Formats: sequence, C-alpha cells, structure tokens
Amino acid sequence: EDKVVQSPLSLVVHEGDTVTLNCSYEVTNFRSLLWYKQEKKAPTFLFMLTSSGIEKKSGRLSSILDKKELFSILNITATQTGDSAIYLCAVHHGNNNDMRFGAGTRLTVKP
Amino acid sequence: GAVVSQHPSRVICKSGTSVKIECRSLDFQATTMFWYRQFPKQSLMLMATSNEGSKATYEQGVEKDKFLINHASLTLSTLTVTSAHPEDSSFYICSASSGQGYQETQYFGPGTRLLVL
Repeated sequence: EDKVVQSPLSLVVHEGDTVTLNCSYEVTNFRSLLWYKQEKKAPTFLFMLTSSGIEKKSGRLSSILDKKELFSILNITATQTGDSAIYLCAVHHGNNNDMRFGAGTRLTVKP
Repeated sequence: GAVVSQHPSRVICKSGTSVKIECRSLDFQATTMFWYRQFPKQSLMLMATSNEGSKATYEQGVEKDKFLINHASLTLSTLTVTSAHPEDSSFYICSASSGQGYQETQYFGPGTRLLVL
C-alpha cells in the first residue's frame, strides 16, 4: 500500500531554533517529492525534489531527498514566528502520476 | 490514519461534456472538504470550501456555475466540471477535515487528473 508518513506531527520551538521535518514514503514508481507550507488557504509550494542528495535551498529553508532510504527532510534555520504553519509533504508516483500527501507537521514557533 | 479517496483517478473527456469527481472520507466524518486545482510549477489553488449540508464557498475567480460542488453527506463531496474545455485540463485534489477552519488538519485525496480533448 502506498503511503507517505511525516514526523513529527506537531512541533513547538522558540524563535531562532533550527527544526528538521521528516517525510518518509513507500510508493510504487516514485516520480517526485514536494514540500508545501500551509498557513491560510491553499498550500504554498516550497520545493520539488527528484534526485537524491541534491539539496534545494531557499533562504532559511532547505530540503534534500534520499531515494535509497526513501525519505526527505525539510530544514528551517533561525526560525521565526512567521514560520508557524502546517508543512505538507506529497509524493507524485505511479504510471498515472498520482499524488499522495502526508498528514503534515504542525510547526509552532514561539517568540 | 485518516484516508481520503477520489474517483476517478484519471478521466479523459470530450470538450463540452461534464465530468463528476468524487471525494470520500473513508474512516472519519468530514465536516469540511476543500477542492484544489494544481497548476504547472506545482502550485495549488484553492477553488472552494464546502461544508456538509450547505452551499460551497468559492474563491474569487472560480466560476460556481462551471464547477459545481455538492457536499451531501459527511463522507462525500462531488465536484462537477460542467461543459469542460481543454483549459480545464488539470489535476484536481480534494482534502477533508473534521474541523471548520483552514488550520485544522486536512487529509488529502490522491487527486484526479482531467484531460479535456
């Protein structure tokens, strides 16, 4: 059965901390892994990863994929209160390019 | 964990026909269901929010007469694309929540890929 598992489900940190969010997957015919940030309405796209070991970086956020161990991590350094959100991981897979989302990690950054 | 299914997973139709997409929460009662459309470069656009037994709330720019949403029960919402045209070809994703707001955990379906010829 295809599945995408995110951990932790919830995380509370203080401003300035560094956090690492995890996403592991078991799917048939993996195509890509995506990270989204959801604050208000639609999730905002962060990264798409297709190749192992290549870090993608955007400001204080970075992400990397390990296709051998079937997981990805999303790092946020020097966290700010504005980073508080639900972070979603999704995997495109299969011949029809299906999409499966994880349950998300709820990050709360306290001042 | 909570499971949300969508049917069909893929549909090809002729221009001018209508297509219905179902979204079901399999093991929980979904007070609220959300319909998204995925555009190129992976961004998701929220189309509408539906609450069981009431009319859907559409986002600005989304034609409610073209994208009919029905949330008839706590486990089923449907999106009907009426008189589909090639520009409606996209990946439609639903999510379901047992809460009322956007900050409640949403469980996403696997998506439906629509191709209008």
